[in-house]
Amino acid sequence: DAGVIQSPRHEVTEMGQEVTLRCKPISGHDYLFWYRQTMMRGLELLIYFNNNVPIDDSGMPEDRFSAKMPNASFSTLKIQPSEPRDSAVYFCASSPRGSGVLGGTVAFFGQGTRLTVV
Amino acid sequence: EDQVTQSPEALRLQEGESSSLNCSYTVSGLRGLFWYRQDPGKGPEFLFTLYSAGEEKEKERLKATLTKKESFLHITAPKPEDSATYLCAVQGSYNTDKLIFGTGTRLQVFP
Repeated sequence: DAGVIQSPRHEVTEMGQEVTLRCKPISGHDYLFWYRQTMMRGLELLIYFNNNVPIDDSGMPEDRFSAKMPNASFSTLKIQPSEPRDSAVYFCASSPRGSGVLGGTVAFFGQGTRLTVV
Repeated sequence: EDQVTQSPEALRLQEGESSSLNCSYTVSGLRGLFWYRQDPGKGPEFLFTLYSAGEEKEKERLKATLTKKESFLHITAPKPEDSATYLCAVQGSYNTDKLIFGTGTRLQVFP
């Protein structure tokens, strides 16, 4: 398996423009996570899906952010309109179903998309 | 609220100088504690999972341990290629699958 695939790897856009980040999770994984990483705040969970259904979007900073997972092999994170403070590295991760109620699941990360909003 | 605190923020070691990284956590019902390694420009790479207090895992020069309140990542005789940021994360509570990360420890090993 090629692992989690994200595109683009780098994105530079002007303030006010729409940005769409894409993610292909590992085949067979039930969970998909979107994270944002900055020097100041580290890795922050934005939203996660279980079997294509959004479960918790409490980390999405504003209504300008939206995420979809139309099928098990594709997800998007959209920012509209983008602002300079959205500049960060955005990671997608996927994980298989946990082993039992208390079983933790390992998340596998993509290479990230470095977003710069000027 | 689940919380993870890592220390120190940065650590500089001479090659061969052993040390430990700390991860303190607060969760309601630990389902798993995870250690990741992150190299510049790359995504976090999974190292270990620990599930219960007293558990230990080893991989080459790295050894992870777990108590009820914290985890340690021990690095024995580090080499320059061990230089990276080490991230700790927890999955807690019975009703969520969130993976909550600490801010990491940036390790530099000099020859």
